[in-house]
Amino acid sequence: KAGVTQTPRYLIKTRGQQVTLSCSPISGHRSVSWYQQTPGQGLQFLFEYFSETQRNKGNFPGRFSGRQFSNSRSEMNVSTLELGDSALYLCASSLVGPMNTEAFFGQGTRLTVV
Amino acid sequence: SQQGEEDPQALSIQEGENATMNCSYKTSINNLQWYRQNSGRGLVHLILIRSNEREKHSGRLRVTLDTSKKSSSLLITASRAADTASYFCATFLSVGMNRDDKIIFGKGTRLHILP
Repeated sequence: KAGVTQTPRYLIKTRGQQVTLSCSPISGHRSVSWYQQTPGQGLQFLFEYFSETQRNKGNFPGRFSGRQFSNSRSEMNVSTLELGDSALYLCASSLVGPMNTEAFFGQGTRLTVV
Repeated sequence: SQQGEEDPQALSIQEGENATMNCSYKTSINNLQWYRQNSGRGLVHLILIRSNEREKHSGRLRVTLDTSKKSSSLLITASRAADTASYFCATFLSVGMNRDDKIIFGKGTRLHILP
């Protein structure tokens, strides 16, 4: 079966702009979680959506938001981009949640803010 | 400091040798997971071990969990060049408040298998 698909793979944006990243989970998976990975901070949990509802969230400012659609596809939005938002953004899908069942990760979207 | 911290930060071994990396955490957990990441790409799930399990195997991988010491180890036996990657442990931090549960990843161990 198809894996987790993230689009786009690469993005270059200017400070102050906003960006939307997309994640298509594995068919049948209802949980989608998002992560930010940087060399300095490592892998950090952004938030998790389950059945269109945000179930958990990490310690990120409100500029980071997301949503999940009825087909479980998820989008993540970052507004008013800052240089420090440059990172690899990963999403993962799982049947019921990333800490109780195996999570499958996409290849990520590499965002560069200039 | 991190909920999950791996050590060592980096490890280089000869192909065929065993590699051991450790993860320590601070709070009680329901389970702990290990992931592998190659060259800054997506993570691949390796093993999930539950708090009532002490050891789990998957092929050449062996994971142990010591909840009294709040630590876990990942052993890769008979290492191969393809094992070169970063390895992360992940734990679940429940703060007891609605919607504030978090998954915490360690900084990772960079494993390099020398030919």
